[in-house]
Amino acid sequence: ETGVTQSPTHLIKTRGQQVTLRCSSQSGHNTVSWYQQALGQGPQFIFQYYREEENGRGNFPPRFSGLQFPNYSSELNVNALELDDSALYLCASTYAGHTGELFFGEGSRLTVL
Amino acid sequence: SQKIEQNSEALNIQEGKTATLTCNYTNYSPAYLQWYRQDPGRGPVFLLLIRENEKEKRKERLKVTFDTTLKQSLFHITASQPADSATYLCALGSSNTGKLIFGQGTTLQVKP
Repeated sequence: ETGVTQSPTHLIKTRGQQVTLRCSSQSGHNTVSWYQQALGQGPQFIFQYYREEENGRGNFPPRFSGLQFPNYSSELNVNALELDDSALYLCASTYAGHTGELFFGEGSRLTVL
Repeated sequence: SQKIEQNSEALNIQEGKTATLTCNYTNYSPAYLQWYRQDPGRGPVFLLLIRENEKEKRKERLKVTFDTTLKQSLFHITASQPADSATYLCALGSSNTGKLIFGQGTTLQVKP
């Protein structure tokens, strides 16, 4: 039990649609990261938020965007969905300055048809 | 570009034996390396962290080594049990942020 919860657990969208995934982090964790994990692959870093500002981004296009809120919750938004966006989206929280473990949620499984 | 490689083939071992998983990396100088366990359909769960100035770390039946010259980490599970069956991910980090670079994972199957 990591204390990180994600919703929804599963969802199906069609190409061109938009999706919002949600994450609730542990209290006190002011840093949240989002990862994309395709089937059979390791997680890939999308971006990170610290104190409600994006402060690091991986090789993902601008149609991937996020928000972090003061209550330790965050969102990942993906516009103009493509088939290749089908993946498990993982939220992970920690606190700044801590080079220790990331606390992952169970993920949101997105299928794009 | 940065690259991390783990055993791509599944590792099958007999219960009670020691499982050894390998993580190799290139074009990267990590400050630390982490190992995670991931069960099907679940999020990764942290197991161990080892820093660049450490050679070895242990936690119960787990042992991790880190050789920055060879650019390699070995992950050992001694006295393996069927409950250890899962995918194991290695991840590299270079700063005190949440950005980790993950390998593709190695699936371990422990047979009774």
